Amino acid sequence: DAGVIQSPRHEVTEMGQEVTLRCKPISGHDYLFWYRQTMMRGLELLIYFNNNVPIDDSGMPEDRFSAKMPNASFSTLKIQPSEPRDSAVYFCASSLDSDYGYTFGSGTRLTVV
Amino acid sequence: TQLLEQSPQFLSIQEGENLTVYCNSSSVFSSLQWYRQEPGEGPVLLVTVVTGGEVKKLKRLTFQFGDARKDSSLHITAAQPGDTGLYLCAGTDSNYQLIWGAGTKLIIKP
Repeated sequence: DAGVIQSPRHEVTEMGQEVTLRCKPISGHDYLFWYRQTMMRGLELLIYFNNNVPIDDSGMPEDRFSAKMPNASFSTLKIQPSEPRDSAVYFCASSLDSDYGYTFGSGTRLTVV
Repeated sequence: TQLLEQSPQFLSIQEGENLTVYCNSSSVFSSLQWYRQEPGEGPVLLVTVVTGGEVKKLKRLTFQFGDARKDSSLHITAAQPGDTGLYLCAGTDSNYQLIWGAGTKLIIKP
């Protein structure tokens, strides 16, 4: 398995633009997580899915953020409109369940100017 | 709010030295995981401990889960430059949520 695949690796966009981050989890993993990492706040859970269903989105900063998982092999995190404070590294991770540990993708480094 | 406190936040030592990183909480966790993250990459799982008092070894790394399952330590023997990275602990709480520590940034100088 190629692991968790995220795209793009880097994204630079102007404030107000829409940004879409993509993730392909490991086949067979029932859980998918979206995290954001910054120096100031560390790793923050944004939302997670179980069997394609969003379970907890309490970490989504505001209505500008939305996430979907249309099938077991694909998820997106969308920010519309983007703001400079959204600049961070966004990670997708998948897992059989939390006690098995998570497999993270390489992340998308987002810069909003 | 459940917290996992890691210490030290930053550690820079010479190659060949030993070190210990700590992960502490006032809460009980059903399991605890340790990850290492290198620049530009996502965290990589090193180990999961589930039993109070459990000790696991991964080459020169020794992981211990506290008897009360509230704390854990990571000991590295004879550190090497390849051990450099951000070490993160994460515990599974009673709601099956993963609580993350802020990380220990480790630098091993040749």
